[in-house]
Amino acid sequence: GQNIDQPTEMTATEGAIVQINCTYQTSGFNGLFWYQQHAGEAPTFLSYNVLDGLEEKGRFSSFLSRSKGYSYLLLKELQMKDSASYLCAVRDRRGSYIPTFGRGTSLIVHP
Amino acid sequence: DGGITQSPKYLFRKEGQNVTLSCEQNLNHDAMYWYRQDPGQGLRLIYYSQIVNDFQKGDIAEGYSVSREKKESFPLTVTSAQKNPTAFYLCASQSTSSSSYEQYFGPGTRLTVT
Repeated sequence: GQNIDQPTEMTATEGAIVQINCTYQTSGFNGLFWYQQHAGEAPTFLSYNVLDGLEEKGRFSSFLSRSKGYSYLLLKELQMKDSASYLCAVRDRRGSYIPTFGRGTSLIVHP
Repeated sequence: DGGITQSPKYLFRKEGQNVTLSCEQNLNHDAMYWYRQDPGQGLRLIYYSQIVNDFQKGDIAEGYSVSREKKESFPLTVTSAQKNPTAFYLCASQSTSSSSYEQYFGPGTRLTVT
């Protein structure tokens, strides 16, 4: 199956910028997701990248490099409510195109 | 309001008992999924169904069973054969005609077996 790697935990200051990286190894890559999950709640969709490049949505941006097996989620103007777990998930042919999730990165935003 | 619901939010059972977790969606989605989440772990796929009356095992199907008799419903049974059933269970649905392939998640059921 896929091998998806993300940092376990990151901390940042309110108002700052943070970049959460995700690396993956797949066969037949077909897209990468980022989800946000607050403790005890359901994940919510943030972005989906299938082509190389940067996609921006308000304070959040997601980048993909297929040749490097690499993505990042960029969060700007951090707010306390951004404290959550950020999940990277990959679709590929070998996994029947069902998203496989990484372990998630727990982001703690402090004042 | 369209959405995906799971009930109950918290469930307690004694070891040796089977328990069924409910998942309902009114989004008219063809595909539905069950994931399990343990502390410090990502979501692990238990079962999925891409069409009514058909379902497939995921990565950790042992000790679980599902049915998909209606498009809207995809219940998960945690059997007594599941060795470590205590976990947070998430159900998701997805439109197979959508170009974004986004999954919509229910609020989850936290199962505790003692």
